[in-house]
Amino acid sequence: GENVGLHLPTLSVQEGDNSIINCAYSNSASDYFIWYKQESGKGPQFIIDIRSNMDKRQGQRVTVLLNKTVKHLSLQIAATQPGDSAVYFCAENQPGANNLFFGTGTRLTVIP
Amino acid sequence: DARVTQTPRHKVTEMGQEVTMRCQPILGHNTVFWYRQTMMQGLELLAYFRNRAPLDDSGMPKDRFSAEMPDATLATLKIQPSEPRDSAVYFCASGLGQRIGNGYTFGSGTRLTVV
Repeated sequence: GENVGLHLPTLSVQEGDNSIINCAYSNSASDYFIWYKQESGKGPQFIIDIRSNMDKRQGQRVTVLLNKTVKHLSLQIAATQPGDSAVYFCAENQPGANNLFFGTGTRLTVIP
Repeated sequence: DARVTQTPRHKVTEMGQEVTMRCQPILGHNTVFWYRQTMMQGLELLAYFRNRAPLDDSGMPKDRFSAEMPDATLATLKIQPSEPRDSAVYFCASGLGQRIGNGYTFGSGTRLTVV
């Protein structure tokens, strides 16, 4: 896919370390949030979601934290692997809206 | 794994030409979204359909873009005439349910270059 390129925030981590990717969302009315992973030449792939009545949700090797007070979302990846290298997007959705508003993305590079 | 199939994967065309992009949603999915991704704007919603009916196309330039679902297995996005500023990757996503999110699958996109 054509990832947002030149001005993407980047994060480089050593294989095996934990990664934390941050996202500030824009609309305080948003009540549903998703993290997507996008590899080169592919579409966004769902990783994990969280609703606003929660502040933490865990998946396999991933954890999403939601801080509604400061409108902040983070994605934690445990024991980062080379296959985790990709661009990560957060997306927000408001009640009654059928659109996802995507953030600009963060490029994660895992160093073997 | 069920997939959303988009064709063509790449398209290079001259300004002024008509471009048609196709999307085959996952069988049984009743909702299809079209998104466009550019370096400047990121991912933007163009249009979406439920049960083949257009529900929102407010993100689409109406004068040159059109989206249709001729049947439940095909969604099309057409640009006529194309312009260099239309160069982008166009994604479709399909799923079930009221809200896009978990359960929705994106295709691999059509990379359009208008010269």
